[in-house]
Amino acid sequence: QVQLQQSGAELTKPGSSVKISCKASGYTFTSYDISWIKQRPGQALEWIGAINPGSGGTGYNEKFKGKATLTVDKSSSTAFMQLSSLTPEDTAVYYCARAELYYWYFDFWGPGTMVTVSS
Amino acid sequence: DVVLTQTPSTLSATIGQSVSISCRSSQSLLDSAGNTYLYWYLQRPGQSPQLLIYLVSNLGSGVPNRFSGSGSGTDFTLKISGVEAEDLGVYYCMQATHAPNTFGAGTKLELK
Repeated sequence: QVQLQQSGAELTKPGSSVKISCKASGYTFTSYDISWIKQRPGQALEWIGAINPGSGGTGYNEKFKGKATLTVDKSSSTAFMQLSSLTPEDTAVYYCARAELYYWYFDFWGPGTMVTVSS
Repeated sequence: DVVLTQTPSTLSATIGQSVSISCRSSQSLLDSAGNTYLYWYLQRPGQSPQLLIYLVSNLGSGVPNRFSGSGSGTDFTLKISGVEAEDLGVYYCMQATHAPNTFGAGTKLELK
């Protein structure tokens, strides 16, 4: 069965960077794009960007360019998102989600990784 | 970016009641190939979002048929015909016709 397992919660300081992971299983990792979505506490969802694990090609929401960097490790079927120059506004739950091939909906989601930025 | 405006922001319902949620887009979501990439997701408390509806009116896998979606262009509606307790949570519309993907602000469905 398709599963997306995300890394654990992170507590980080302003100005630092953090790299969170999303390990896929139960399907061919290189065949489906992975998107990353941000949800601040009590707030709506924001699409950060997506990566094609097969080609490594990426697409970003302009708002997150320079903030988020998406990569993959095909050997471990894992997608990564690095967030840099962290501020308290980056405190959020970050979800990875698989994008269905033809109609682009997110058919499987990870459980989310809580990132807290605090001094 | 495309702005999706959801109304109402909060919806109180009794079990068995039928309810509707509106999602209005700041521009048409119909693309040049004739597809409309409008989706509905439900986020139950403490859980990740899950797909309900794709391409305006298509039911996601395993989604009960009390959920239905309709609309075109800039106006879309999600209807629940007979709310059940498991339907409580926050409903989001999302569009993927225009980059970047954007979500509505959400509609919280609670028990009256």
